[in-house]
Amino acid sequence: DGGITQSPKYLFRKEGQNVTLSCEQNLNHDAMYWYRQDPGQGLRLIYYSQIVNDFQKGDIAEGYSVSREKKESFPLTVTSAQKNPTAFYLCASSIRGRAGGVGRNTEAFFGQGTRLTVV
Amino acid sequence: QKEVEQNSGPLSVPEGAIASLNCTYSDRGSQSFFWYRQYSGKSPELIMSIYSNGDKEDGRFTAQLNKASQYVSLLIRDSQPSDSATYLCAVNIGTGGGADGLTFGKGTHLIIQP
Repeated sequence: DGGITQSPKYLFRKEGQNVTLSCEQNLNHDAMYWYRQDPGQGLRLIYYSQIVNDFQKGDIAEGYSVSREKKESFPLTVTSAQKNPTAFYLCASSIRGRAGGVGRNTEAFFGQGTRLTVV
Repeated sequence: QKEVEQNSGPLSVPEGAIASLNCTYSDRGSQSFFWYRQYSGKSPELIMSIYSNGDKEDGRFTAQLNKASQYVSLLIRDSQPSDSATYLCAVNIGTGGGADGLTFGKGTHLIIQP
């Protein structure tokens, strides 16, 4: 079955520690995204990538880093510089990014999420 | 700054009635519009997309778009208790400047009363 897989489902981070969230897709989608969701809030864009070896900052990129070495994978690292990392992290992908047109190419599909808690 | 506004609710609707969810957006360059359903503790699920003015129907769901008024809505007919969830409106501004990705509203919490 094609889909987007995030791991782990739950993650606990100690103060000052970097952690990496995994996101893998087998949909052959070009574009991938990372969003953060806080309780009672909408999703906010952290980073996005429209193509392999390229990625751009979203609205709340400070304290986060990403890489896109393979089309299928877009890992997110939450660094110690992120002062309030406790949140629900969601990875998504679409056939194309905005540069590839509009319509169905930009429909985004989500993984099951990773819930990160600082302990 | 792109903005997508939704009434947070909760919106309470009797079972079998029509649930009407509304969304406004600020960027006139927006070209693609989506409705996601999110159950508590789960990730969003795409349920409707609409790209041109008018209505689009899919089963019990109808999406309505009015670009002149910068307004998009979702109607759920014959509401079922399983429709109880948070509904997120999302907008993509299409080609042009600014970040890629969807801009989301904060969601409307819908409760279907048996």
